[in-house]
Amino acid sequence: AQTVTQSQPEMSVQEAETVTLSCTYDTSESDYYLFWYKQPPSRQMILVIRQEAYKQQNATENRFSVNFQKAAKSFSLKISDSQLGDAAMYFCASLNAGGTSYGKLTFGQGTILTVHP
Amino acid sequence: DAGVTQSPTHLIKTRGQQVTLRCSPISGHKSVSWYQQVLGQGPQFIFQYYEKEERGRGNFPDRFSARQFPNYSSELNVNALLLGDSALYLCASSLGGQILLTQYFGPGTRLTVL
Repeated sequence: AQTVTQSQPEMSVQEAETVTLSCTYDTSESDYYLFWYKQPPSRQMILVIRQEAYKQQNATENRFSVNFQKAAKSFSLKISDSQLGDAAMYFCASLNAGGTSYGKLTFGQGTILTVHP
Repeated sequence: DAGVTQSPTHLIKTRGQQVTLRCSPISGHKSVSWYQQVLGQGPQFIFQYYEKEERGRGNFPDRFSARQFPNYSSELNVNALLLGDSALYLCASSLGGQILLTQYFGPGTRLTVL
């Protein structure tokens, strides 16, 4: 079974500063993907960044980057130059590309990010 | 390009009633997944359909059912509603197949059961 754990229920950051959100996961599959999704109060789940497990290079999307530590099963999200619009609930999720739970997203509990002006 | 659309936006039902939620995927996407998100928690997987066939089912009772149509849109049905079914129901679409599994979400349907 897949599990995803986010140990930080809440985080806060000053505008223009950098913040890192933590995530650990567990899966028995060798082929999987990891994601960070953002859910603002408007509730639309928005994809932030994706990491393929077979890639050693950490994914980057503009101000968002990940630190993927495969052996430690850790997948943290770094937000640089934080903006007020980054305030939201952030979910870490894993998806198996094989096995019986193929294609099913498993989410963590979420981290509420507050950005202070 | 239109994203994933869901209808209705909000729904209020009473215990024991039945509800149907609808989802239209992104154009070209052949896979649709349904998730239930209880307030303050992460979404929980309910179903996945690909090319009109059920590819996966989560730990939900048989009161929950779904189907996918030839145009790849999907419906989620919940019978004999319970208070605990109150949640945000999210639909996600993806291209499907072995590659390109990234799922894109719709705005959700907020179901309240009284």
